[in-house]
Amino acid sequence: DQQVKQNSPSLSVQEGRISILNCDYTNSMFDYFLWYKKYPAEGPTFLISISSIKDKNEDGRFTVFLNKSAKHLSLHIVPSQPGDSAVYFCAARGYSGAGSYQLTFGKGTKLSVIP
Amino acid sequence: DAGVIQSPRHEVTEMGQEVTLRCKPISGHDYLFWYRQTMMRGLELLIYFNNNVPIDDSGMPEDRFSAKMPNASFSTLKIQPSEPRDSAVYFCASRRGLAVEQFFGPGTRLTVL
Repeated sequence: DQQVKQNSPSLSVQEGRISILNCDYTNSMFDYFLWYKKYPAEGPTFLISISSIKDKNEDGRFTVFLNKSAKHLSLHIVPSQPGDSAVYFCAARGYSGAGSYQLTFGKGTKLSVIP
Repeated sequence: DAGVIQSPRHEVTEMGQEVTLRCKPISGHDYLFWYRQTMMRGLELLIYFNNNVPIDDSGMPEDRFSAKMPNASFSTLKIQPSEPRDSAVYFCASRRGLAVEQFFGPGTRLTVL
């Protein structure tokens, strides 16, 4: 069973417009949510995170919104740029026992920003 | 500072052969994670270490897979014998303490013929 779901495998957006990537989760015990960006032939790189006690976190063109009641988060990119074209992974942090935490990842959404 | 280093970047082998993937975490990071990425299952955690000790290996698919961390700067993931269904990209990641963010290496693309 997938605890973190990204239901859109791909998304195309015009340059300059807003990109909205969505993520749903099932485990209410997750305490942090993260977004990673991945270019081909590279490892995922951290983009932005949000604590479960917040509903919004902003970093430049990137904003993450969290709706705990709906168990839903979204990443907004404004304005979108061609260099944003990549696969975006949603991840959630949960307690794994032995005093530690681990991340559970969604399957990713491929964003294409069209010039 | 150097990031997480993985070698080799690409590995092509024949079914039945032993495969060893290597990882050097970021200096000072005490957690090390091994992930596998496939189209079907996405990015899944195989095993992770804290201070060189395996903590959770419940994601290791079967006994053909083993991982070791002999010291704070080196870890290996071994598959013996390898099978075509093991073909995937394997990532290593490291983390300092209970920080939220994990840092990923560039991955090893494994192809088993």
